[in-house]
Amino acid sequence: GAVVSQHPSRVICKSGTSVKIECRSLDFQATTMFWYRQFPKQSLMLMATSNEGSKATYEQGVEKDKFLINHASLTLSTLTVTSAHPEDSSFYICSARVGDSPGNTIYFGEGSWLTVV
Amino acid sequence: AQSVTQLGSHVSVSEGALVLLRCNYSSSVPPYLFWYVQYPNQGLQLLLKYTSAATLVKGINGFEAEFKKSETSFHLTKPSAHMSDAAEYFCAATSGGYQKVTFGTGTKLQVIP
Repeated sequence: GAVVSQHPSRVICKSGTSVKIECRSLDFQATTMFWYRQFPKQSLMLMATSNEGSKATYEQGVEKDKFLINHASLTLSTLTVTSAHPEDSSFYICSARVGDSPGNTIYFGEGSWLTVV
Repeated sequence: AQSVTQLGSHVSVSEGALVLLRCNYSSSVPPYLFWYVQYPNQGLQLLLKYTSAATLVKGINGFEAEFKKSETSFHLTKPSAHMSDAAEYFCAATSGGYQKVTFGTGTKLQVIP
């Protein structure tokens, strides 16, 4: 199947700093990528839908200025957590759909553990 | 709007026993349905998906699921559980024209030797 890669897999940053997480579709082009946050022992919470060449669509309650999403190319989307706080510590997962049909498979990255100290 | 409900946050089965993980959906339009598996500290891997073709869908690792419109269900089954099946399983749905995927709350499967 298609491959989606996230980097870094684990990152520790100091409170108040910013950290960037990359999501790449390695063998297909993705016009749409999704960013999720997963709290321990909970389901995935969709944060935003990243659209190549346009602004991301954020879910209600997600701070746009804190979680900056950039989808500069058909194979790369980035999530930047700005002015990180300990409560931002979480598992962040990106995904990408092959093609635009809602029935097409969505492939997930390996996830990125963010710890803010 | 669509929603996905997974009954049972934890399911325990003995090795070799039948695995049944329940998923019900609510959608105003015919949905596309997915089952994903997540191993500890990893992303999600697609097990199988329903896209309005055959109602009985076979996936990887011996899993299958049956789409029952009358029951709005898409339960995941496997005839014989293996230790390696221990993981968290998520049911998900999306509808035509609706790009977002809605996930259930997940079911953690424990396999007892």
